[in-house]
Amino acid sequence: GIQVEQSPPDLILQEGANSTLRCNFSDSVNNLQWFHQNPWGQLINLFYIPSGTKQNGRLSATTVATERYSLLYISSSQTTDSGVYFCAVGNTNAGKSTFGDGTTLTVKP
Amino acid sequence: EPEVTQTPSHQVTQMGQEVILRCVPISNHLYFYWYRQILGQKVEFLVSFYNNEISEKSEIFDDQFSVERPDGSNFTLKIRSTKLEDSAMYFCASSEGVRTKYFGPGTRLLVL
Repeated sequence: GIQVEQSPPDLILQEGANSTLRCNFSDSVNNLQWFHQNPWGQLINLFYIPSGTKQNGRLSATTVATERYSLLYISSSQTTDSGVYFCAVGNTNAGKSTFGDGTTLTVKP
Repeated sequence: EPEVTQTPSHQVTQMGQEVILRCVPISNHLYFYWYRQILGQKVEFLVSFYNNEISEKSEIFDDQFSVERPDGSNFTLKIRSTKLEDSAMYFCASSEGVRTKYFGPGTRLLVL
């Protein structure tokens, strides 16, 4: 099956700093999502982005499908951005998604 | 905004017992999924369900597990003869097509 690698595994930032999270995948995909798992364990959908670029406030994402990677940008980070960020990808008609191991982000005040 | 709901939020059971986890997907969605996350680990796919049948399942989803859509709104995961290693957070998700998945808040299952 498809392999998903996220980097870095851990990231510690001061409030206000910017960051870039990366997701590499081993095969072509027909769906890709970025999620934020908050401290209560909820998976919050950030972006559906199998290709192209999207922005939502301080967050933006870019997927270069031909090179099999996606990037999540967080600007002017806040303590509430802390948590685990997952990339999930899929390439089947059944819609299965394979998750990466996640990046644990800690934003310090 | 419509959301996926799951009940119960927490479930404690004895090893060997059967549990049923319940989900109400978003009403106009056609694809339903179950995932699980063992504490501290990544989210793992269990099964996808479309048109009243399983469309794909993982190696984890063996004969111990089953899914059902008993009526027009509920989607259930049954785990028979629970084992200690079944302790995990179980997430239900739904999507309109094979696109954006919306996850429920999860059911935390603890097997003693």
